[in-house]
Amino acid sequence: AQKITQTQPGMFVQEKEAVTLDCTYDTSDQSYGLFWYKQPSSGEMIFLIYQGSYDEQNATEGRYSLNFQKARKSANLVISASQLGDSAMYFCAMFGAYTPSNYKLTFGKGTLLTVNP
Amino acid sequence: DTGVSQDPRHKITKRGQNVTFRCDPISEHNRLYWYRQTLGQGPEFLTYFQNEAQLEKSRLLSDRFSAERPKGSFSTLEIQRTEQGDSAMYLCASSLEQGETQYFGPGTRLLVL
Repeated sequence: AQKITQTQPGMFVQEKEAVTLDCTYDTSDQSYGLFWYKQPSSGEMIFLIYQGSYDEQNATEGRYSLNFQKARKSANLVISASQLGDSAMYFCAMFGAYTPSNYKLTFGKGTLLTVNP
Repeated sequence: DTGVSQDPRHKITKRGQNVTFRCDPISEHNRLYWYRQTLGQGPEFLTYFQNEAQLEKSRLLSDRFSAERPKGSFSTLEIQRTEQGDSAMYLCASSLEQGETQYFGPGTRLLVL
């Protein structure tokens, strides 16, 4: 079984600044995948970035990067140069990569990011 | 390549009524998932299809819930005799293969009065 913890219910950032959203996870699986999704007020879950547990490099996708610290079981999302459109809920999620149930994503409770002009 | 679509986007119903939601996955994706999201929580897994076969149902899915994917393309989720506790966002996702990134639709917001 997997567990995701997001300890920041809400975060504020000034436009054009960088922000880090925290995510810690717990799993007994040796191989797993970590995801970040963005959910605007419209409700759609938008895939942002993926990190495999055996990937040696931290994942990056444009302004998004994932700070993966395997020993600490953390997978923080870094958003550089924040934009007003980044205001949304952000969810960290995972599944065990090679388990029979690797179709089930386990989500955290999310962090509400507000970008101030 | 169109994304995952869901219909309706919003549904208000009275307790005891039946409701049905539809999900159209990304066209080449043969894996389809349903999740439920209540206020202030992350989505929770409900059920999973590989093509037309329903491979798992969560314990969250009571006997009042049924999901189908008759031709391995679109899927429907039906809730019979709705209860106020069924009020939630119902999210559908699809992926090309098991263990790959799941892409979500816009969700259906259900309010049971």
